[in-house]
Amino acid sequence: SQQGEEDPQALSIQEGENATMNCSYKTSINNLQWYRQNSGRGLVHLILIRSNEREKHSGRLRVTLDTSKKSSSLLITASRAADTASYFCAEGSGAQKLVFGQGTRLTINP
Amino acid sequence: KAGVTQTPRYLIKTRGQQVTLSCSPISGHRSVSWYQQTPGQGLQFLFEYFSETQRNKGNFPGRFSGRQFSNSRSEMNVSTLELGDSALYLCASSLTGGAPLEQFFGPGTRLTVL
Repeated sequence: SQQGEEDPQALSIQEGENATMNCSYKTSINNLQWYRQNSGRGLVHLILIRSNEREKHSGRLRVTLDTSKKSSSLLITASRAADTASYFCAEGSGAQKLVFGQGTRLTINP
Repeated sequence: KAGVTQTPRYLIKTRGQQVTLSCSPISGHRSVSWYQQTPGQGLQFLFEYFSETQRNKGNFPGRFSGRQFSNSRSEMNVSTLELGDSALYLCASSLTGGAPLEQFFGPGTRLTVL
């Protein structure tokens, strides 16, 4: 399979804690993107990091990229109940064709 | 701006039938991609259309086809449905460009094949 892997597959934390999800990918990327999906709905784009970037921030989100290890991580700080969702990384290596990982299911407990 | 819309939202078909799903991208977006999501295989790329031309195709059988119209709206068709085609079908649109850009997803069409 061309799909990358995400780790962990499921994560359950208390509200207010930080959540870290990891992604390993397989191709030579142009960029790496992170998406969120709430319970069987459409995906929402969170952040895009280019292959020449190492770290990027957006609000409570922090993404890192290590192209030598073909890995990325997404950190959500000060988690909220509304952050409960599945999170996917996606390799952007060809025009508008994204290769998604299997996702991490995040549960925030009140 | 209105988001990506997909119709219908839910569909139930029987094996052997065919189905057509529709997607209207965000105004101004010329690229439309389709993905299949299943519990077992996850999110899989089907194909991408830009200016009425298929630019990329995933690893799906020929029963899966699509097209794009001059107004960028897109349809995908699945012929001779199989039980394994039951899935959430997601459409995404993005601005033009060669590099992979942020994609905006619709709510999906949930297809159940009986």
